[in-house]
Amino acid sequence: GAVVSQHPSRVICKSGTSVKIECRSLDFQATTMFWYRQFPKQSLMLMATSNEGSKATYEQGVEKDKFLINHASLTLSTLTVTSAHPEDSSFYICSARDGVGDRGSPLHFGNGTRLTVT
Amino acid sequence: GENVEQHPSTLSVQEGDSAVIKCTYSDSASNYFPWYKQELGKRPQLIIDIRSNVGEKKDQRIAVTLNKTAKHFSLHITETQPEDSAVYFCAASRRNNDMRFGAGTRLTVKP
Repeated sequence: GAVVSQHPSRVICKSGTSVKIECRSLDFQATTMFWYRQFPKQSLMLMATSNEGSKATYEQGVEKDKFLINHASLTLSTLTVTSAHPEDSSFYICSARDGVGDRGSPLHFGNGTRLTVT
Repeated sequence: GENVEQHPSTLSVQEGDSAVIKCTYSDSASNYFPWYKQELGKRPQLIIDIRSNVGEKKDQRIAVTLNKTAKHFSLHITETQPEDSAVYFCAASRRNNDMRFGAGTRLTVKP
């Protein structure tokens, strides 16, 4: 089945620093990847849609200058949290589809990255 | 955009009983409705999905029903087991666009 690999799984950083999270599709190509954020005991909230070779699409309320997304190839998308603050501490999880077509296909998720900003 | 509502937020059942979780969606163009199970600290795992051209789908103890007219879909788990305890999320998407999730249901199965 489709595998999405995400690194790192856990990161602790100091306030004001930047953190880069990588998301790779291992056995399929993904022109689009989706980045979600999940706070404790809450749902998965879409942050942005990463598009290979073009700019990412951000959801309302998500600062594009703070959450930099780069989708440089068909198998790699990165999310950089710039100038991290304690309120950015959360579980960040990427996802992608390996199917196409009008009827939709499931998202396959990476293992997630638990970010703690001290 | 799409808005997905999910109920109940918590559900506790005795082992062997059935559990039902319900979701509604707002975008009539949505045509794909998956259900994910998430255990603490782990990624969501797809457990079953249904497309808009089907009204019901079953996989062993798990079934999903879809009412397009009313824009709601439900997850049914029969003969629940303690290992079914987790958070369950419904979701909806239009074609292969982004996917929106419900708020989640924390299911506890008491042995």
